[in-house]
Formats: sequence, structure tokens, C-alpha cells
Amino acid sequence: DAKTTQPPSMDCAEGRAANLPCNHSTISGNEYVYWYRQIHSQGPQYIIHGLKNNETNEMASLIITEDRKSSTLILPHATLRDTAVYYCIVRANAGGTSYGKLTFGQGTILTVHP
Amino acid sequence: DGGITQSPKYLFRKEGQNVTLSCEQNLNHDAMYWYRQDPGQGLRLIYYSQIVNDFQKGDIAEGYSVSREKKESFPLTVTSAQKNPTAFYLCASSSTVYYGYTFGSGTRLTVV
Repeated sequence: DAKTTQPPSMDCAEGRAANLPCNHSTISGNEYVYWYRQIHSQGPQYIIHGLKNNETNEMASLIITEDRKSSTLILPHATLRDTAVYYCIVRANAGGTSYGKLTFGQGTILTVHP
Repeated sequence: DGGITQSPKYLFRKEGQNVTLSCEQNLNHDAMYWYRQDPGQGLRLIYYSQIVNDFQKGDIAEGYSVSREKKESFPLTVTSAQKNPTAFYLCASSSTVYYGYTFGSGTRLTVV
């Protein structure tokens, strides 16, 4: 699986958009970009994933560059409850008997302040 | 509601003892995983299982053992061979339909 690079920490004001970057310059054509977040002492929570098109769901938007070497997770209106560690992961989705495993790096600590 | 249940939430072990952490899911997911997390660190994969009666070592399998006798259950045993077992342990599952992982709430193991 491709390696990802994220800033170790970021701050965001409550109510503003939080834009979390991720570099994955060695991504392969069949690898998806996943985002998870982990609130202190809890299990990680799936946020969103995508291959090459931008994706949006009720939690966030995912913007993937045209060359797929980087992506940005956008939390449109951050709240204090969005304070967490955010992990960007790249992994191939394989059918059949291979589910693949997720490799978690250090992630980005996002702190949302009043 | 469907989900993953890990028990116990907190576990204390004396040095030299084996302990077993429970992980049960009712999501009908085929694949299950065990991760270890140390303070300020990311998650590291211990073992994973894609189908019943089959499992593979992850990146840090030494000192751990697992079984997968039922689709719903994937218990992890931390043996006395694990030299530094104090950590936060997370269980997860996934399916071919939904490629994301669903995580349990974790078990915090402390060696006393």
C-alpha cells in the first residue's frame, strides 16, 4: 500500500471549514484514499473514501487532485466535537477473498477551538 | 443495532499471565482485524482473518495468538511472550460490500 504524509497537527476555529491535506505521491491506479478519525480513547470512525472523483457525504467532502498524488478532507463547519486525530490511508480495494488491510500512520491532530 | 463489541473495556494482568480479549460482531462481516495502539502512536496490525478458520499475521504478531472458529468472533490472546503488552487494543471488521472498517470501542490492557 502507498505511504501517506500528513501534517502532525492543525487548528481550526469553530464554525469554519477545516481542510486537512494528505500527500500520497506513490499511489497506484487501483488504490483508494480513505479517511478515518479517532476521538480520544475511542475506536476510529470511518469518514469517507474515494478513487479519483470528489466525494461528499453527510460528514465531509473529499477532494482528490487530478494526478491523485494528494487529497484534502474538508469538514465544512467544524465543531468542537470534530477535535480528533484524522488518518489518511491509501489501500487497494480487492474483490474475491482479499479484503486488504488498512495501515494507519500518525495522522493529523485537529484541534477545533471556540 | 449492528456493531462490534469488545470486552472488557479495561483489563489488568500480572506479568507472566495470558489474557484473552473478546471481540464479537453482528454485522455479518467476513473479515476481522486486531490492532494495537500505544500512546501518541498510530494503529499497528496484529492479526487479521478474512474467513472462518483462517487468519494471517500482521506487522506485530509476536507474543499474540488468535482463533476464528465462528464468523462473529475473533478473540485475541496476549501471551506471556509479549514483552510489552500494556496498550490499547482495537478490533475491527469489514465486508466486500462496504470496504470501510467498523471498529469496536477498544480494550485498555495494563500489566501490573
